[in-house]
Amino acid sequence: AQKITQTQPGMFVQEKEAVTLDCTYDTSDQSYGLFWYKQPSSGEMIFLIYQGSYDEQNATEGRYSLNFQKARKSANLVISASQLGDSAMYFCAMREVGYGGATNKLIFGTGTLLAVQP
Amino acid sequence: DVKVTQSSRYLVKRTGEKVFLECVQDMDHENMFWYRQDPGLGLRLIYFSYDVKMKEKGDIPEGYSVSREKKERFSLILESASTNQTSMYLCASMLRTGFYTEAFFGQGTRLTVV
Repeated sequence: AQKITQTQPGMFVQEKEAVTLDCTYDTSDQSYGLFWYKQPSSGEMIFLIYQGSYDEQNATEGRYSLNFQKARKSANLVISASQLGDSAMYFCAMREVGYGGATNKLIFGTGTLLAVQP
Repeated sequence: DVKVTQSSRYLVKRTGEKVFLECVQDMDHENMFWYRQDPGLGLRLIYFSYDVKMKEKGDIPEGYSVSREKKERFSLILESASTNQTSMYLCASMLRTGFYTEAFFGQGTRLTVV
């Protein structure tokens, strides 16, 4: 069965420093996709970044990058130059991809609460 | 501007009541999902649907059912609400095909069962 594991319930980081949020996944599928979402205290879910299992390059979006290590089944999120507004819950997610690239299922991890300190 | 709308932000129901949580999306997405979010447990998938009248169980379907009579609307039903179903419920929608597609979420419904 598919599973997402986030082992860090909470983390602190100093403003302007980089931080890595860990995510490991388990799947027997060859085709899948990995996401990171941010959930601030307001509760909305904000899409950050996506990595497909066949993508050879690590995904990047502004200050966010995804360190994808397929053999280790890890998809860590790296936030560079942390800002106070980065304080939030962060979720790693995986989509199961079926025939023709169709999304069959989308599952999430337990999340990591990041606190950025001034 | 894409939109997923959940019918209520806050809901209080009595034990044993039948509860309907409604979710509507305006993006013509095939996939729709219902999750519950609890502290320390993250988002757990209850049910999802990839087409009208089609549904698949997620990881925690017990005590819940769903309905998808129209493409834009996905309802979560608690047949007989219990206190352990007190939680935040999140609805999401997503294109079924396409490798670079994201899920869009509603604002959430905080359900309290007393």
